[in-house]
Amino acid sequence: AQSVAQPEDQVNVAEGNPLTVKCTYSVSGNPYLFWYVQYPNRGLQFLLKYITGDNLVKGSYGFEAEFNKSQTSFHLKKPSALVSDSALYFCAVRDGKGSGNTGKLIFGQGTTLQVKP
Amino acid sequence: DAGVIQSPRHEVTEMGQEVTLRCKPISGHNSLFWYRQTMMRGLELLIYFNNNVPIDDSGMPEDRFSAKMPNASFSTLKIQPSEPRDSAVYFCASSSRTGGSTEAFFGQGTRLTVV
Repeated sequence: AQSVAQPEDQVNVAEGNPLTVKCTYSVSGNPYLFWYVQYPNRGLQFLLKYITGDNLVKGSYGFEAEFNKSQTSFHLKKPSALVSDSALYFCAVRDGKGSGNTGKLIFGQGTTLQVKP
Repeated sequence: DAGVIQSPRHEVTEMGQEVTLRCKPISGHNSLFWYRQTMMRGLELLIYFNNNVPIDDSGMPEDRFSAKMPNASFSTLKIQPSEPRDSAVYFCASSSRTGGSTEAFFGQGTRLTVV
């Protein structure tokens, strides 16, 4: 079955330090992977995606993520965290089997990122 | 484009009443998703449509929930009768299959409170 796991409920980092938010996935076909961010009382905003090609993908606000097929992971990273990065982050997967971009889009439970000054 | 538009933004209703949530997807998008977000259960996929056809409604919690997409520019999620445990934020999202674009774009959500 298709699934996404975010093992950490919360990640705390100091401003200026690198951050990593973890995500692992399970799909039967090729994975289409996504990261979204949610600020309080707002909808989810798309950050970046992996479909195919280079395993390191870059997205909005300086975020990047690395696709690792052998570990079925897609961890979100940023070299230097900002206080304004504090938010709820969601990893999501869409099964690329068949027509690829028409399958269900499943989200992880979310990880709260807290960046302290 | 104005993005995905949901209405109402907030809804407070009494237990037993019918509630209808509305969504207008981004023009040209062919997939539409309905999600429910709660503290306890996170972000749950309720149902999704491709080309106005329901593909997977396995996430719909009970027969009290129903969703329709009569055309490419409008969808509704109905709860009848509503119960306090239905209180949550309901999100609609849409995505396109053209041009290699696969990410979904979310509306601002409808915060439902059933008292």
